[in-house]
Amino acid sequence: DADVTQTPRNRITKTGKRIMLECSQTKGHDRMYWYRQDPGLGLRLIYYSFDVKDINKGEISDGYSVSRQAQAKFSLSLESAIPNQTALYFCATSDWKPGQGNVEQFFGPGTRLTVL
Amino acid sequence: DAKTTQPPSMDCAEGRAANLPCNHSTISGNEYVYWYRQIHSQGPQYIIHGLKNNETNEMASLIITEDRKSSTLILPHATLRDTAVYYCIVRRNNTNAGKSTFGDGTTLTVKP
Repeated sequence: DADVTQTPRNRITKTGKRIMLECSQTKGHDRMYWYRQDPGLGLRLIYYSFDVKDINKGEISDGYSVSRQAQAKFSLSLESAIPNQTALYFCATSDWKPGQGNVEQFFGPGTRLTVL
Repeated sequence: DAKTTQPPSMDCAEGRAANLPCNHSTISGNEYVYWYRQIHSQGPQYIIHGLKNNETNEMASLIITEDRKSSTLILPHATLRDTAVYYCIVRRNNTNAGKSTFGDGTTLTVKP
């Protein structure tokens, strides 16, 4: 089974609808992230969470909100979807401890969202 | 975190070494260089990272210049499966580590 899972994998919705994308992980990592990728471009950070009580805005948080329901679950919501939020969305996790030299991120398979 | 610059695309012949450059001229002393790759539209996959010494693992080698302002990822014997977008990222490994934005990367095409 995959360590980082995302649901749904594909979603088509209409402008103005509320959408929730879910991410679950079995790696036991404290840190979780949501990224957005537009066609032909790199990933941009939307929100990140370093533990259950910690939520931080990333580079492009406007129009999005998140919820860290548990260590293993991090959800991304679009309160009122608009067409320019059509993109590929990735969830990622990482682990970090003092003195640890590597902060490798592990990514989910992605959710392809289309807003009509 | 320091910004990186990569060529948008490169080609490589199958079986030959692929050398992917990355410039990070504003890198700070406590920032590491990380490389990831993304095959098709899958989630990015970690390849290798380093601070100042050259590094090698089962996937690739990382060569960092002495002034640390640039680096090169080397895939020693590229295969068709190595066709992907390769991202070079620079970031600190401290309490704020991990919150990195990926640039546009280099699209490597391995040709038969």
